[in-house]
Amino acid sequence: DAKTTQPNSMESNEEEPVHLPCNHSTISGTDYIHWYRQLPSQGPEYVIHGLTSNVNNRMASLAIAEDRKSSTLILHRATLRDAAVYYCILRDVRRGSTLGRLYFGRGTQLTVWP
Amino acid sequence: GAGVSQSPRYKVAKRGQDVALRCDPISGHVSLFWYQQALGQGPEFLTYFQNEAQLDKSGLPSDRFFAERPEGSVSTLKIQRTQQEDSAVYLCASTPTRTAVRGAGNTIYFGEGSWLTVV
Repeated sequence: DAKTTQPNSMESNEEEPVHLPCNHSTISGTDYIHWYRQLPSQGPEYVIHGLTSNVNNRMASLAIAEDRKSSTLILHRATLRDAAVYYCILRDVRRGSTLGRLYFGRGTQLTVWP
Repeated sequence: GAGVSQSPRYKVAKRGQDVALRCDPISGHVSLFWYQQALGQGPEFLTYFQNEAQLDKSGLPSDRFFAERPEGSVSTLKIQRTQQEDSAVYLCASTPTRTAVRGAGNTIYFGEGSWLTVV
């Protein structure tokens, strides 16, 4: 499965926008880009996903580069509750048994300052 | 229940002891997964069930690890003769669909995990 590269850590101030980058230069045409986050002492939770077009939901926005080799998760106004590890994951949906086999990597630790 | 439930939440085991970790997935969810998360690392896949069938167990680190889901709902991860390197958080996750469904979100719902410390 294609790998992703993320910065180890990022910081933001409360109520400011946060742009979390992810590089996936070996992405295939059938890979969806998914983002999960893990709050302290919690299991990971789904944030957003996309294939080619930019996506918005109530939690965040996902901006996908035209060549799909990178993407950015955007939190429009960071809150203290957004402090978590954010994982960028590629999911190849052609193969049924790997649909739930997520390769997390180490993710980006986001610190939000009040 | 409302979410994936795991028990025990915390477990301290002596080296060599057998442990059993339980997962109650969201009601009606077909697919169930177990992940292992070492301190400071991202979760790593262990095994996958579709209903009662264990379709992928390629991530189990050794034959001391065994998972079952006999009636297609509750699952148990058993670790025999625990070693210190087994210390980790064990995460259970479920999803409502069969994995063959193309595309879409197929959101995976995780439990809070069982924290295992082997001393």
